[in-house]
Amino acid sequence: GENVGLHLPTLSVQEGDNSIINCAYSNSASDYFIWYKQESGKGPQFIIDIRSNMDKRQGQRVTVLLNKTVKHLSLQIAATQPGDSAVYFCAEPIGDYKLSFGAGTTVTVRA
Amino acid sequence: GAVVSQHPSWVICKSGTSVKIECRSLDFQATTMFWYRQFPKQSLMLMATSNEGSKATYEQGVEKDKFLINHASLTLSTLTVTSAHPEDSSFYICSARDLKGQGQETQYFGPGTRLLVL
Repeated sequence: GENVGLHLPTLSVQEGDNSIINCAYSNSASDYFIWYKQESGKGPQFIIDIRSNMDKRQGQRVTVLLNKTVKHLSLQIAATQPGDSAVYFCAEPIGDYKLSFGAGTTVTVRA
Repeated sequence: GAVVSQHPSWVICKSGTSVKIECRSLDFQATTMFWYRQFPKQSLMLMATSNEGSKATYEQGVEKDKFLINHASLTLSTLTVTSAHPEDSSFYICSARDLKGQGQETQYFGPGTRLLVL
């Protein structure tokens, strides 16, 4: 079935720089998306979400952009810190509160 | 914030034995919990939906007799891997949906249980 996938499996970024993580989805009817952060050996942690009636949503040092025309969303992390090193997943509800996760992008922050 | 715990955090067992993993919502009630499996460097794959007081709903391809799920209370769901084999070695993660929550942000994930079957 249709699910969410990611463009790039890894991202290496210099500490202090901004990070951009991309995600493509295939279901044009999707109306809600979530970004999760998963540190090594831990469960996913909610970062930010966005509904399809929005193009942009900002949180603390993070911004999610949604482009419904090309079915693409991105997560931007400002001033990336070593603690941001993790795997980032976009996820999409697929009914009854179940979630479909994308492949994940591993972000490594260089000191 | 809401906390979901899993026990054990890691387990090593011999092939053919059964392993039980607990998922608990510590400070909220959850009528629905979810079980995921994650292989190394891969994404989370939903295995089943655990419903309090009723049978679990399994995703396509997941053997219900192999992965027994029990959701006996509003704060506890258990996953039993029966007759475990090396290919069952994985990271098992549960999530719990807050009974009072409306959005997806009210679905909280446990820390995961790493299972190694020898």
